[in-house]
Amino acid sequence: AQTVTQSQPEMSVQEAETVTLSCTYDTSESDYYLFWYKQPPSRQMILVIRQEAYKQQNATENRFSVNFQKAAKSFSLKISDSQLGDAAMYFCAYRSAWVGNQFYFGTGTSLTVIP
Amino acid sequence: KAGVTQTPRYLIKTRGQQVTLSCSPISGHRSVSWYQQTPGQGLQFLFEYFSETQRNKGNFPGRFSGRQFSNSRSEMNVSTLELGDSALYLCASSSRPNEKLFFGSGTQLSVL
Repeated sequence: AQTVTQSQPEMSVQEAETVTLSCTYDTSESDYYLFWYKQPPSRQMILVIRQEAYKQQNATENRFSVNFQKAAKSFSLKISDSQLGDAAMYFCAYRSAWVGNQFYFGTGTSLTVIP
Repeated sequence: KAGVTQTPRYLIKTRGQQVTLSCSPISGHRSVSWYQQTPGQGLQFLFEYFSETQRNKGNFPGRFSGRQFSNSRSEMNVSTLELGDSALYLCASSSRPNEKLFFGSGTQLSVL
């Protein structure tokens, strides 16, 4: 079975600074998707960014970008110019390209943004 | 367009009872999946439905069941509740499997 590991239970960053959240995963599949989801206190999971494994180019969404290292099975999230609204729980997730919407989630990283 | 709606938001039950949770997907979405979120186990996949058919099931006991109706609304049922079933239950929908997933705000179930 696939596993997703987030080794940083908590992180903090000064407002306007940059922070990187780490994620590693284990899979024997060659075709899959990786995601970062944000869960604020409202509890709703919000998609931050998505990466297709077959794409070598790292995904970027405004202030959010990833460093995808397929051989190392590493998928980190960089948040630039951090804002107070970025404070939330961040989950890394894996989904096979062939098995519908069965996601495997990491245990999450709680991000605090310091004004 | 309304998002994924889950009802109720909060629920308190006692051991041995059964419970039914409801999820209304985004209009036009035909795929609905369910996840259990607990502090100890994190987020775990329960099952996925597409066009009223269960496509995939996670590693949960048979006490956990679900269904999807012709209007794509979904329900999940937990029978003979145990203390360990206390969790946030999240529903998510997409237009088709493998498309972008949208989550609801969940139902917080407490079993006493």
